[in-house]
Amino acid sequence: DVKVTQSSRYLVKRTGEKVFLECVQDMDHENMFWYRQDPGLGLRLIYFSYDVKMKEKGDIPEGYSVSREKKERFSLILESASTNQTSMYLCASSWTVSTNEKLFFGSGTQLSVL
Amino acid sequence: AQSVAQPEDQVNVAEGNPLTVKCTYSVSGNPYLFWYVQYPNRGLQFLLKYITGDNLVKGSYGFEAEFNKSQTSFHLKKPSALVSDSALYFCAVRDMGSGGGADGLTFGKGTHLIIQP
Repeated sequence: DVKVTQSSRYLVKRTGEKVFLECVQDMDHENMFWYRQDPGLGLRLIYFSYDVKMKEKGDIPEGYSVSREKKERFSLILESASTNQTSMYLCASSWTVSTNEKLFFGSGTQLSVL
Repeated sequence: AQSVAQPEDQVNVAEGNPLTVKCTYSVSGNPYLFWYVQYPNRGLQFLLKYITGDNLVKGSYGFEAEFNKSQTSFHLKKPSALVSDSALYFCAVRDMGSGGGADGLTFGKGTHLIIQP
């Protein structure tokens, strides 16, 4: 089975801290994604990547950056965390850029910014 | 622009009864449609997808979904609900004419399905 692993299940950070969320997939997928999930808002795409060192902005990239130095690893970075970034963060991956491909999700990281 | 609507925040069903979770969509072209399920404290899991062909799609855990082009709907169904089906369900759509990858996938806001014993 495909496995998408997010390094932390829960994180508590303070306003202004730099925060790193890590995600690793073990199936050589080309595409990786970061979403945030908020009650009543569903999933919103932050950033995605089609290949190593490649990144594209999603719907809500402000306040975030990403890094993909290796194919299996995709990191989400909050340069200066703010309270409105308290959320559930979900990483996902897929095989190709085909429009009918399904996504495989990690278990999520619940981030609280105090 | 494309969009997905899940009109019910919560659906309550008695165990053993049939269940339906509603989804309607809007795309400029033809859609690819997906259902995902999220159990508590877990990520999303793929249930099923519609690409083309038969309007009735069968997926995991006994779920199925019916594509209705005239009503632009893709409702999720199961003939007999189980308590273990209680979870958060997301519908998602992608326009076939989009560039692929993530930039064309839109999720609904989710529907809480509660199965009562």
